[in-house]
Amino acid sequence: QPVLTQSASASASLGSSVRLTCTLSSGDSSYIIAWHQQQPGKAPRYLMKVEGSGSYNKGSGVPDRFSGSRSGADRYLTISNLQSEDEADYYCETWDSYTRVFGTGTKVTVL
Amino acid sequence: EVQVLESGGGLVQPGGSLRLSCAVSGFTFSSYAMSWVRQAPGKGLEWVSFVSGSGSSTCYADSVKGRFTISRDNSKNMLYLQMNSLRAEDTAVYYCAKILPAAGTDYWGQGTLVTVSS
Repeated sequence: QPVLTQSASASASLGSSVRLTCTLSSGDSSYIIAWHQQQPGKAPRYLMKVEGSGSYNKGSGVPDRFSGSRSGADRYLTISNLQSEDEADYYCETWDSYTRVFGTGTKVTVL
Repeated sequence: EVQVLESGGGLVQPGGSLRLSCAVSGFTFSSYAMSWVRQAPGKGLEWVSFVSGSGSSTCYADSVKGRFTISRDNSKNMLYLQMNSLRAEDTAVYYCAKILPAAGTDYWGQGTLVTVSS
């Protein structure tokens, strides 16, 4: 079963950018992941998928300041022009056949 | 508009049973796999179970295998999770989630809280 590793926390100032990382334990560079945002007290929300090629496709209504990319086995979520409402937990997700795996989550704090 | 609405959560004693339901609308239910994901208080997301669009294929996390059963009724646009032999560590908010092929979970319900306590 794959394991996804995320940093526990990240912080950045209002209006700046922050990049979150999700790494697959196997080192496979071709896997696809999804990124989800969970604001305090709310259900998760799908943000985007990031392909093995590094291309990304966002969900409906996701602001332009959210983008995805990759480098090797790492998958990134970049939030530009950070807003107060971006303060949330962010989870990556991948799958292996029918089994699904979530990363441990990164808590983003907006300073 | 896609809507996903869970129900059936509540307080149950250790060893007890509970059945969660999930009503969906806004998409062709039978065309999509679905899953249940849970989140214990103050913890991260944990995948629980998966069912294919037809219902013929299912999969479970090791932590619930043999105790939980996922099912669906495509004629009613309903997803279910039968939970037996519940333990304190099953206490969590349970989310019903739609799966987009090769793209991950693309819609989440608002969650239903299950509390296992005496």
